[in-house]
Amino acid sequence: DQQVKQNSPSLSVQEGRISILNCDYTNSMFDYFLWYKKYPAEGPTFLISISSIKDKNEDGRFTVFLNKSAKHLSLHIVPSQPGDSAVYFCATPSGTYKYIFGTGTRLKVLA
Amino acid sequence: DTGVSQDPRHKITKRGQNVTFRCDPISEHNRLYWYRQTLGQGPEFLTYFQNEAQLEKSRLLSDRFSAERPKGSFSTLEIQRTEQGDSAMYLCASSRDIRQFFGPGTRLTVL
Repeated sequence: DQQVKQNSPSLSVQEGRISILNCDYTNSMFDYFLWYKKYPAEGPTFLISISSIKDKNEDGRFTVFLNKSAKHLSLHIVPSQPGDSAVYFCATPSGTYKYIFGTGTRLKVLA
Repeated sequence: DTGVSQDPRHKITKRGQNVTFRCDPISEHNRLYWYRQTLGQGPEFLTYFQNEAQLEKSRLLSDRFSAERPKGSFSTLEIQRTEQGDSAMYLCASSRDIRQFFGPGTRLTVL
């Protein structure tokens, strides 16, 4: 029962262009969402988050959009850089302590 | 920068052996999490500690798995009678708010 889904396992984008990573969820009670980035041989690192009371949060080149009616969030990276090449996970707290992660999207930014 | 550390980084063991992993969280973080990640999947929640108290355990955590966090500092995850299906990356994370900080993980291979 995958409650958080990332349907695109991989994405390739040209350097300087926009990268859009998508995430869908099933439970309308989820009230906070996070994006993590993971490089090979490292643990995930926190990137950006959004509360369900907002529909947009921006931090530098990274913007997360939340569409509660569609139960969908997306991460926009503009402009994309080769160093952004990594696996990106969306995650949400389920209950008090348990976090649920999506399966990840591998982003490759082509120079 | 004293982030989350994990030891060992790699462990190869034979089926039926016991293994123990250690996690040292960021010192001021009172929350500690263990996750398991297999190829093509996101991190899967295993267990959560608040200080020394283990407050939640996933049903993934069979009776062969045990975790401790004595004195609310470092934590250990032990797997008894390892099986080939236990082969995975075991990740530890700590936090003091909603953002989790992950260690580099321990990669377990059960032969």
